[in-house]
Amino acid sequence: EPEVTQTPSHQVTQMGQEVILRCVPISNHLYFYWYRQILGQKVEFLVSFYNNEISEKSEIFDDQFSVERPDGSNFTLKIRSTKLEDSAMYFCASRGQGQILAGELFFGEGSRLTVL
Amino acid sequence: GDSVTQMEGPVTLSEEAFLTINCTYTATGYPSLFWYVQYPGEGLQLLLKATKADDKGSNKGFEATYRKETTSFHLEKGSVQVSDSAVYFCALRRAAGNKLTFGGGTRVLVKP
Repeated sequence: EPEVTQTPSHQVTQMGQEVILRCVPISNHLYFYWYRQILGQKVEFLVSFYNNEISEKSEIFDDQFSVERPDGSNFTLKIRSTKLEDSAMYFCASRGQGQILAGELFFGEGSRLTVL
Repeated sequence: GDSVTQMEGPVTLSEEAFLTINCTYTATGYPSLFWYVQYPGEGLQLLLKATKADDKGSNKGFEATYRKETTSFHLEKGSVQVSDSAVYFCALRRAAGNKLTFGGGTRVLVKP
């Protein structure tokens, strides 16, 4: 069964460092998302991406964050200068064109980011 | 704004017990409602969904009914198994929207 894959599964970084989280969405999907979950809190929407541009973003997704689809298969989330409060589990998700009404998103297993 | 509230866990049950996880929502219009499940070490998976009032979603013995009058979408299963141990997330998506809004998740632990 097709699946969304994320790397790394866990990354530890120092405050102020740049981090790139990588995702490979399901191959024929067109909509891509990043969500995060701070430990013990809700899963929060960060950003959605369609047709090579951001279609929606939350107030969390400030100038420190960026997304990119560099090569037609990967979808990356970059945090330019990490802060302690960026420590969270980051989930990538994708959705196909035909699922726009049903709203089903396919999620990866998550990348845990720990900022020290 | 949109919000989803679900009961806090953890919920600890014995095998074959009845499970209910309460979920209520606040949203304008008529959102679609979802339950996602996260098994240990895995990503979020869609468990079931309902797209309009009075619809019942069902899968793997789980059921939830879209109740517009009480803005609820409670998840139920009549007889849980150890393999149902997971974190369950209630979520909504507005009809004209793009993103999912999640509840806080409820951890369920089923003991043999």
